[in-house]
Amino acid sequence: DAGVIQSPRHEVTEMGQEVTLRCKPISGHNSLFWYRQTMMRGLELLIYFNNNVPIDDSGMPEDRFSAKMPNASFSTLKIQPSEPRDSAVYFCASRLTGIGGYTFGSGTRLTVV
Amino acid sequence: KQEVTQIPAALSVPEGENLVLNCSFTDSAIYNLQWFRQDPGKGLTSLLLIQSSQREQTSGRLNASLDKSSGRSTLYIAASQPGDSATYLCAVRPGYGGATNKLIFGTGTLLAVQP
Repeated sequence: DAGVIQSPRHEVTEMGQEVTLRCKPISGHNSLFWYRQTMMRGLELLIYFNNNVPIDDSGMPEDRFSAKMPNASFSTLKIQPSEPRDSAVYFCASRLTGIGGYTFGSGTRLTVV
Repeated sequence: KQEVTQIPAALSVPEGENLVLNCSFTDSAIYNLQWFRQDPGKGLTSLLLIQSSQREQTSGRLNASLDKSSGRSTLYIAASQPGDSATYLCAVRPGYGGATNKLIFGTGTLLAVQP
């Protein structure tokens, strides 16, 4: 299994631009999570999906952030418009519902200048 | 509200030493606890998962224990090696309400093993 796959690995964009982060969960996992990691706040859950349905988006910081999961093998996190304070590492994780553990992707390092 | 604390924040040991990393959580109602390793600029690698009904889990030189009633977990690393240098994170999965899918992370312990 290739694990959770995220793209791109690094993204540098100018303030105001739209940014789209992508994630492919592990095949068979039915829960998908988007986390953000910063030095100041550590790892924060932004949103999670269960069977492709958004369950809890209370961690999404603002309306500029949106996430979709059109099918069981793909999810996107979009920031529009981006701001310098959005600079962070964004992780995607997946899990099989139940007592299993989480598997994280390698992350996307986003820099907004 | 569940809070997870890791002590120490940083640790430096000589190669070969056995060491213990600590994790404490404020609410004992948990599904499970997971230990991760994060190398600089990399993602999180799962090390051990302990269910709430378990007391410990072992993988190679790693042993994790869980004392739910006291809100504590420890990660024991035997015969440490320079390759063990990384940040170690513990994460708790709450066991009730709508929060059962939200992993709550500690702030991590930065480990440096000196050759």
